[in-house]
Amino acid sequence: GAVVSQHPSWVICKSGTSVKIECRSLDFQATTMFWYRQFPKQSLMLMATSNEGSKATYEQGVEKDKFLINHASLTLSTLTVTSAHPEDSSFYICSARVWLAKSSYNEQFFGPGTRLTVL
Amino acid sequence: GNSVTQMEGPVTLSEEAFLTINCTYTATGYPSLFWYVQYPGEGLQLLLKATKADDKGSNKGFEATYRKETTSFHLEKGSVQVSDSAVYFCALTFNQAGTALIFGKGTTLSVSS
Repeated sequence: GAVVSQHPSWVICKSGTSVKIECRSLDFQATTMFWYRQFPKQSLMLMATSNEGSKATYEQGVEKDKFLINHASLTLSTLTVTSAHPEDSSFYICSARVWLAKSSYNEQFFGPGTRLTVL
Repeated sequence: GNSVTQMEGPVTLSEEAFLTINCTYTATGYPSLFWYVQYPGEGLQLLLKATKADDKGSNKGFEATYRKETTSFHLEKGSVQVSDSAVYFCALTFNQAGTALIFGKGTTLSVSS
């Protein structure tokens, strides 16, 4: 099956620093990648939709200047949390969408997530 | 708008008990429906899906039927195991490029031996 990786799997940083999270589709090309945020014991909240070669589309309430998304290639999207603060501490999950010709369907595959802790 | 509502947890069961986790949805159009599972410390995994009305998705003994008339996609398993302890998410999406999954809040299942 399709594999999506995230790096790092966890990161601890000081308040005010920036953190970059990478999301890679390892064995397929993904025209669309999504970034989610998951708070403890809560659901996944979509942050933004990232299309290769174009600007990301952010959900309402998500600060685009704080959460910078770059989708430079069909296998890599990055999320940079700029000037991180403790309230940004969360579990960030990416997913990649691919068209499966066998099932004529867009399938979405998830990365394992990145745990960000801002001190 | 589009949304997913699933029963609040936690659900606590004994091994071999019958499991039902309710999920209903609101959608403009005809979505595809999914159940995802998140085991402790791991990422989301697709458990099963159904892409049109009356379809039944099944995997690992779990099953769910897409009921358009009741806008529901309840998850069931006849006999749960301790290893089924996890958080289960119901979700929907549309088969269009660039459309994200919309998740329910998740239901924590705890199975004891």
